[in-house]
Formats: sequence, C-alpha cells, structure tokens
Amino acid sequence: DTEVTQTPKHLVMGMTNKKSLKCEQHMGHRAMYWYKQKAKKPPELMFVYSYEKLSINESVPSRFSPECPNSSLLNLHLHALQPEDSALYLCASSQDRGVGIQETQYFGPGTRLLVL
Amino acid sequence: AQSVTQLGSHVSVSEGALVLLRCNYSSSVPPYLFWYVQYPNQGLQLLLKYTTGATLVKGINGFEAEFKKSETSFHLTKPSAHMSDAAEYFCAVSEGMDSSYKLIFGSGTRLLVRP
Repeated sequence: DTEVTQTPKHLVMGMTNKKSLKCEQHMGHRAMYWYKQKAKKPPELMFVYSYEKLSINESVPSRFSPECPNSSLLNLHLHALQPEDSALYLCASSQDRGVGIQETQYFGPGTRLLVL
Repeated sequence: AQSVTQLGSHVSVSEGALVLLRCNYSSSVPPYLFWYVQYPNQGLQLLLKYTTGATLVKGINGFEAEFKKSETSFHLTKPSAHMSDAAEYFCAVSEGMDSSYKLIFGSGTRLLVRP
C-alpha cells in the first residue's frame, strides 16, 4: 500500500479564517513533506519532517504552521492567509533510512485551497 | 544548488507514436533522478527513478528513461503513446543533507495525445 491521504479535497476560506489541512500515511514512513503547487507550475517544497521533527523550513511565512503529532500524521495550520496563497497543497511521505539514502517520495492527491 | 530543465512545456504526439520528454539536470554530486506524472486534479505519481547502477530504468505504464552522465540528461520515452498518457510530466532531482532531502522539480511538460 503506497497511499497518502489528504483531507479536505477542497477548501475555501476567508483571509481571517483559521483552518487546517490533514495528511495521513500508514506505510511506516518517517519523513513527511508539504509542497505548494500553483497552477501550471511545479510543486515547491514548504516543510520536511523527519522522525516527527521539523528538519527543513523553506522560509515559509508564519501564517503557515506545520505540525507532526505522530509518525503517521501531518497537519498544516492556516491563519490569515492571502489570496495569493490559493494553490494545491500536496503532502508526501518517504522512508528515512539515514544519511545519504534518498528514498522515493509518495504523494497524496492534494487539497485545493482557495482564499477569498 | 541542483536544478532541472525540461525542454518543451508542451509536447504533442499522435496515438501510437513515440513519446520523448526531455530532461537535463545540473548536479555537483551523483544525482538521484525521478520522473513523476500528474493527471488533472490529482497528486503526483512516480513513474520511475534512477539512483545507482543500470542507466536504463524501466517504469510503470511502459515508460523508461536513460541516465546519461556525459550529457547530464534523463530523458523519458515510451515507444507507443496511448490516449491515457495525456498528463503533466515532471522530472526531478533530489537534493539534501543529513537524512532530509527535497525534490527539485523541472517546470513540467504537458503531453497531449492526438487520436
């Protein structure tokens, strides 16, 4: 099973709202990722968690707040977003076998976010 | 920093024709290379990857890619296109340190398949 699930599939929010995106995997992967994908563009990395600890933050604005409550779950908390934050948010996971071993990342279907 | 260049934002082929999607990379270390496919309104699905060893890599759905170090290329091919192959294709190189790494994606190539 190589499935990564994401909820919700679609989300519309105002600029003053607080919402959360959820991602779940049951493959025993210990690395999880958030990517942002604008229309007709490639995905861009936002955050990486390794063994439930934040290991990479690509200078993402603080209105995006990631959380990894356990090895199977990854959340992205959203607050005071801007219309330009509208995009497809993709979650991915991979094995984490240690230094120098780069495992395949498996992607979820994404959450399509619209900020009004 | 590593980078990926995909030549051609759109490629159009007839059904049954050869598919060739081009990818060139820039890397200071031996690269890990990937091809992903994205169908409309979906996430990314791994087609194939190159890590070490055999330079001709076979993937799903009849696709394959050849790693050519001298040309810094990792082009994706399929002998005979099918209508269901119409999608966006991304080439990616991995970059990282320690045990965390990220994928650096090319700009993508949209494959159109004509009946």
